[in-house]
Amino acid sequence: EVQLVESGGGLVQPGGSLRLSCVASGFTFSDYWMSWVRQAPGKGLEWVANIKQDGSEKYYVDSVKGRFTISRDNAKKSLYLQMNSLRAEDTALYYCARGGYYPDPWGQGTLVTVSS
Amino acid sequence: EIVMTQSPATLSVSPGERATLSCRASQSVTTNLAWYQQKPGQAPRLLIYGASTRATGIPARFSGSGSGTEFTLTISSLQSEDFAVYYCQQYNNWPRAFGQGTKVEIK
Repeated sequence: EVQLVESGGGLVQPGGSLRLSCVASGFTFSDYWMSWVRQAPGKGLEWVANIKQDGSEKYYVDSVKGRFTISRDNAKKSLYLQMNSLRAEDTALYYCARGGYYPDPWGQGTLVTVSS
Repeated sequence: EIVMTQSPATLSVSPGERATLSCRASQSVTTNLAWYQQKPGQAPRLLIYGASTRATGIPARFSGSGSGTEFTLTISSLQSEDFAVYYCQQYNNWPRAFGQGTKVEIK
């Protein structure tokens, strides 16, 4: 069974940093693009970032460029999102998802709250 | 950056009736269009990709159509478990983009 388990969310002050992790199981992690997608409370879905199988290509939504960095460790079957200079508008549930085209499946998400 | 626009924002439908959801792209995405379903407290689930191909395990009452900039998701006969929010998403260009969602509610 394919599983994606996110962790690392929490409460952080504006301007702070967090590193999210996603551990994959049930499939060959190194064969897939991976994605981070977020959802602010009560709002819709927003694509955040993608990374190619070998990490050689990365794409970001404009609102996080220069602040967030996506990375992966294929040996550990893990995906990461380093988030710096966090803002109140980054408050959301962050999902890890398999694939870079039409992601499937998705994890259950980890909640990031940016507030003083 | 491609902008995806869904309509209507809310659709009120009776069980057993047909539901038709629309999605428009600000520029052509050919058939690189997916649909997702999200229920409260759950992660989104892939329904359709390639504009019209059902994902594994998705019932035949869900169908997708369209190409270019205009797309439609049709649920032929709504079941109780289909009341949810539906999102379209383009994967023709970077960055990927979702529509704002259509909530299908019980009439």
